[in-house]
Amino acid sequence: KQEVTQIPAALSVPEGENLVLNCSFTDSAIYNLQWFRQDPGKGLTSLLLIQSSQREQTSGRLNASLDKSSGRSTLYIAASQPGDSATYLCAVRLGTGGFKTIFGAGTRLFVKA
Amino acid sequence: DAGVIQSPRHEVTEMGQEVTLRCKPISGHNSLFWYRQTMMRGLELLIYFNNNVPIDDSGMPEDRFSAKMPNASFSTLKIQPSEPRDSAVYFCASSLGTAEAFFGQGTRLTVV
Repeated sequence: KQEVTQIPAALSVPEGENLVLNCSFTDSAIYNLQWFRQDPGKGLTSLLLIQSSQREQTSGRLNASLDKSSGRSTLYIAASQPGDSATYLCAVRLGTGGFKTIFGAGTRLFVKA
Repeated sequence: DAGVIQSPRHEVTEMGQEVTLRCKPISGHNSLFWYRQTMMRGLELLIYFNNNVPIDDSGMPEDRFSAKMPNASFSTLKIQPSEPRDSAVYFCASSLGTAEAFFGQGTRLTVV
C-alpha cells in the first residue's frame, strides 16, 4: 500500500530564506508526482508536475526534484516571501491499479516578514 | 475555461437529510476525482471516474455515499442519510488522463 509522508509538518522561516520541503513515498511504482499549494479555506493550486521519467521541474522560484528509486521528492523555494505562506501538499499518482492519487498530509509554511 | 466548478460552496444540513454535491470538470478532461478533506485524516480519495465510468470507489466510506457521472461535464456525490461525522470539505478534481490535476474550490459540508 502506497504511503506518502511529508516532513516537516510545519515550518516557520524569515523572509528571503531558501527552503526545502520533503516528500517520501513507499512504493516507487508511480506514474507521476504533483506538488500543490493550499491557502486556508481554499482549494488546491497545482505548482509542479513531475513525470516518473523526469528528474526535476522548475517554475519561477520553485524547483521540484524526483528520485523514484529512493522514493523521495523535494520542493525547493528560493528567496521565500510572506505570500508563500500556505500548506504545501505532494501527491503521488500510482502507476498500477487504476492510477489513483495519494496525498501526503502537507507541510504548513509560514514566512515571516 | 473557468476551471473545475463545484456547488454549493457551503452546505449546512441536519442529520438524516440527503445531501447532493455537484461538480463540473474542466471541458475536455476525462478523469474526475472526488476527495474529502478533514483535519484528522487529510485528503482522502473517495472515488474516481475515467470517461464517465467509476474506476475505483474503494475510498467511499459507507453505502450512504454514492457518486454518479451521467456525462462528461457533470458529476454528483450524494450522502443519504447524512451524519455529523460527514462534516468536511469535499473537493472535486479533473485531469486529462494522467496529466496535471486541477481542483475545484470545494464544498464545505456541515451536518448538525
